[in-house]
Amino acid sequence: DAGVTQSPTHLIKTRGQQVTLRCSPKSGHDTVSWYQQALGQGPQFIFQYYEEEERQRGNFPDRFSGHQFPNYSSELNVNALLLGDSALYLCASSLLGPPYNEQFFGPGTRLTVL
Amino acid sequence: AQKITQTQPGMFVQEKEAVTLDCTYDTSDQSYGLFWYKQPSSGEMIFLIYQGSYDEQNATEGRYSLNFQKARKSANLVISASQLGDSAMYFCAMSFSGSARQLTFGSGTQLTVLP
Repeated sequence: DAGVTQSPTHLIKTRGQQVTLRCSPKSGHDTVSWYQQALGQGPQFIFQYYEEEERQRGNFPDRFSGHQFPNYSSELNVNALLLGDSALYLCASSLLGPPYNEQFFGPGTRLTVL
Repeated sequence: AQKITQTQPGMFVQEKEAVTLDCTYDTSDQSYGLFWYKQPSSGEMIFLIYQGSYDEQNATEGRYSLNFQKARKSANLVISASQLGDSAMYFCAMSFSGSARQLTFGSGTQLTVLP
């Protein structure tokens, strides 16, 4: 049973470009959350998807958008990249309902913006 | 608003000794969950242990235990018999009843286990 997978592992972009990151949740999970982790800091919640809709959103600009597909996989899109978008992007999968102790993370995508 | 505070940026422990990593939280919710994650240098966030706010017993998972003191709003992680492989960044996180899936993280504690 595969856990949470993310692609790509690493990515280098330049300012102003657009990027798409992908996440496949753990088998049986229906909810995907995305987090941004800047160097030396704890992860910050970006948004969460359930039933192909954005349910919750953290304090991130509209340049950050997402999508969830019928198979529960998800994409994170960032437009007009800034140097400050350089970070580790983590995807977490869970069930919307209980058990509430299950929230598993993928290996992350490390984005570098030059 | 929910807030997690980890006051120890770095900790050192001798191999085979026990170590406690501190975590305090602030919330007005009555229903919430507390998590501890381990993040090695590879970056993956590894789930260690969970404590629900209504759980009466402290959570334990193998060498990990969570010292939950609700009145003091603390949820310290205790690692017994430290191993070299325990060297990593440790994050305390919290979910709250308004969104059971959104986690608020602390700033982390870098644990180094010495041989």
